[in-house]
Amino acid sequence: QKEVEQDPGPLSVPEGAIVSLNCTYSNSAFQYFMWYRQYSRKGPELLMYTYSSGNKEDGRFTAQVDKSSKYISLFIRDSQPSDSATYLCAMSLTGGGNKLTFGTGTQLKVEL
Amino acid sequence: DSGVTQTPKHLITATGQRVTLRCSPRSGDLSVYWYQQSLDQGLQFLIQYYNGEERAKGNILERFSAQQFPDLHSELNLSSLELGDSALYFCASRMGGGELFFGEGSRLTVL
Repeated sequence: QKEVEQDPGPLSVPEGAIVSLNCTYSNSAFQYFMWYRQYSRKGPELLMYTYSSGNKEDGRFTAQVDKSSKYISLFIRDSQPSDSATYLCAMSLTGGGNKLTFGTGTQLKVEL
Repeated sequence: DSGVTQTPKHLITATGQRVTLRCSPRSGDLSVYWYQQSLDQGLQFLIQYYNGEERAKGNILERFSAQQFPDLHSELNLSSLELGDSALYFCASRMGGGELFFGEGSRLTVL
């Protein structure tokens, strides 16, 4: 069993929909949680960064962490075709980039 | 553009061969990380260098090695290549404890 599980999709939604992306994890010691967005043929780019449990909002994006359930989510409001990408969750014990454990990514397509 | 440059973008080679992937970090970033991305395993951390010294090792095979040079660019050497080594190899850099910036990757195909 992988440390971080993520549904690979693909997930297809109409423009304007609310998108929910999720990851579950098994290591209760993870403290830092991130969401990366990866466009086709590009490297991952950091979208959201949260520490411990709670919510964090940035524009149309909201990240939620529920440590008691070992479950993290990313919500995208008013989704746009430009949001079409693969979304990777990542987590770590510390803030260091070398200990990042990634999910395999969920492919999202937002259709006109 | 993240500012991290990787070459080559694509590489096709045969089993048993050796290749070198190159990474130039963002200006001023002392830390360089190498990751391998495959369809079934996702992004896997391989190795980290900080200012020329190895700092951390992840799931890096003994056939693989890396180094960071005085000008801070880094190279990942992959030898005795096997079909299963086909993957995207990403380099990332960061300054201190800040955000990790990824390059666009080198796609390796082993035939």
